[in-house]
Amino acid sequence: DADVTQTPRNRITKTGKRIMLECSQTKGHDRMYWYRQDPGLGLRLIYYSFDVKDINKGEISDGYSVSRQAQAKFSLSLESAIPNQTALYFCATSEAGQPNQPQHFGDGTRLSIL
Amino acid sequence: GDSVTQMEGPVTLSEEAFLTINCTYTATGYPSLFWYVQYPGEGLQLLLKATKADDKGSNKGFEATYRKETTSFHLEKGSVQVSDSAVYFCALSSRTGNQFYFGTGTSLTVIP
Repeated sequence: DADVTQTPRNRITKTGKRIMLECSQTKGHDRMYWYRQDPGLGLRLIYYSFDVKDINKGEISDGYSVSRQAQAKFSLSLESAIPNQTALYFCATSEAGQPNQPQHFGDGTRLSIL
Repeated sequence: GDSVTQMEGPVTLSEEAFLTINCTYTATGYPSLFWYVQYPGEGLQLLLKATKADDKGSNKGFEATYRKETTSFHLEKGSVQVSDSAVYFCALSSRTGNQFYFGTGTSLTVIP
């Protein structure tokens, strides 16, 4: 089983709809992240959470919100989806306060907004 | 602030050719450096890492050396295979571990 699981893997929806992407992890990591990937732009950080009571905005948080329901769960919501939010979304985890430890990624959610 | 700059692609090589993907960084103090690989339809996987100056990370025939004097962490492989076709990302973790920065990715295609 994957250590970082994202659901759904693919989603097509219409402009204006509310969308929730979910992420769960079995790695026992305190830190969780949401990124979006667009061609030529690499990964851009949307939100991150260093523990259950901690939520921080990333580089491109406008139009998104998050919820950290438990140490293992971190969901991303698009309150009113728009076409330029069409992208590949990744969840990642890492250990707390360990600068030499990598981030661990899920397989991504491909989101298309029509 | 901290940042990573990597060579733009796409890169196309013939099988068994030598690969170099350049990566340079800007950081305060001594960051940790990483290379990730993303195969089609998958998430990013850690390929290798180096945590201090002059460290060499290696995995699956890939290597990269942490060069503090040139602030670089170039990825190399002596003989690429078709199965190496993927997108490669250079990344940096700040000295506190609180921030992670990615390059824009370099797409590699290896042709038989």
